[in-house]
Amino acid sequence: DAGITQSPRHKVTETGTPVTLRCHQTENHRYMYWYRQDPGHGLRLIHYSYGVKDTDKGEVSDGYSVSRSKTEDFLLTLESATSSQTSVYFCAISESGGRNSPLHFGNGTRLTVT
Amino acid sequence: DQQVKQNSPSLSVQEGRISILNCDYTNSMFDYFLWYKKYPAEGPTFLISISSIKDKNEDGRFTVFLNKSAKHLSLHIVPSQPGDSAVYFCAASSGGSYIPTFGRGTSLIVHP
Repeated sequence: DAGITQSPRHKVTETGTPVTLRCHQTENHRYMYWYRQDPGHGLRLIHYSYGVKDTDKGEVSDGYSVSRSKTEDFLLTLESATSSQTSVYFCAISESGGRNSPLHFGNGTRLTVT
Repeated sequence: DQQVKQNSPSLSVQEGRISILNCDYTNSMFDYFLWYKKYPAEGPTFLISISSIKDKNEDGRFTVFLNKSAKHLSLHIVPSQPGDSAVYFCAASSGGSYIPTFGRGTSLIVHP
């Protein structure tokens, strides 16, 4: 079981409030990813990181920012939460980011924006 | 526009029979394909993969077939077990970026 911890596991917040989700890994993997899962959409990439302070956008990055100041932590921030950001958020890690290094996922954070 | 399509949202199979989950892709640059399995309240877990240089990869009860000309792959589970009941995601990536693009998933229910 890959050492990935997402916190919090559940959160309810109000529209317009800032929210930060945390992903912590104990595997010392270089690559980290944030996905969101929504009914009818599957898993969509929000942002990813290929090293400390190295991040890039995914297909649904609008309204989200990320930071990676340490190898083990990857933070996802919603600067001003909207109802469309109600979703289940998954963090994933990969040792090398290559084809022989499949993603290992955390157990998700369920976020509800009211 | 969806580049990885799983057109069957759900599939119901009897225990012991074969489960066939299908996936189509549109991006001809994809050259590596993966299947992930997801149980409720858990994250997806990697199941099996196949490179475009192969047309079949087998791992125990799970076999993935790739038809490049049709841009189609399928996951066969034989024999199906109730513990296989989960959502299965097809994913694809290209050499330019190994970040997988996921389909919408197919919910498999295996009845005892």
